[in-house]
Amino acid sequence: EAGVTQSPTHLIKTRGQQATLRCSPISGHTSVYWYQQALGLGLQFLLWYDEGEERNRGNFPPRFSGRQFPNYSSELNVNALELEDSALYLCASSSSILQNSNQPQHFGDGTRLSIL
Amino acid sequence: RKEVEQDPGPFNVPEGATVAFNCTYSNSASQSFFWYRQDCRKEPKLLMSVYSSGNEDGRFTAQLNRASQYISLLIRDSKLSDSATYLCVVNRGGYALNFGKGTSLLVTP
Repeated sequence: EAGVTQSPTHLIKTRGQQATLRCSPISGHTSVYWYQQALGLGLQFLLWYDEGEERNRGNFPPRFSGRQFPNYSSELNVNALELEDSALYLCASSSSILQNSNQPQHFGDGTRLSIL
Repeated sequence: RKEVEQDPGPFNVPEGATVAFNCTYSNSASQSFFWYRQDCRKEPKLLMSVYSSGNEDGRFTAQLNRASQYISLLIRDSKLSDSATYLCVVNRGGYALNFGKGTSLLVTP
């Protein structure tokens, strides 16, 4: 069974540009989560999607946005990139926690975003 | 106060030792609990879920104390390959997971 897949593996952008990161969940998973892990910091929750809707977002500015497609894959968009956006962006998926919160999340390898 | 707190370590232990990590959480409404393992510059991987009755998976034992709001992970007979950062993770229910910053373990020969 394929795990969570993310693309691209690495992304290099300059300040002010826009970045799009992609995630495909494990087959059968409907919940997709995005996290940011900056160097030396813990995982910070960004966004949670389930059944095509944004269910919750973390304490990030509106220039961080995303969507979930009918096939449950997801995109994370970051506009007006700033130097401090440089981080590892991790996507995770799980069975829907809308019905049962006790669902562990499984992570992809991440996209390393570097802002020059 | 952070929602999930862990001692960052590092814990340096010799092979074969037993080591324990604790983690405290602040929200008493938290519903599910996990330990993840993260190797350097890699994605977190689920180690085990944590149940109220306590649970064991090989050399790993997890315990949950709801009254005191802490979770523990015990590793017996440490192996070199156990060297990693161990993340305590709490779900408040209906929300995404809250991760601790992790406890760093280094097992030495």
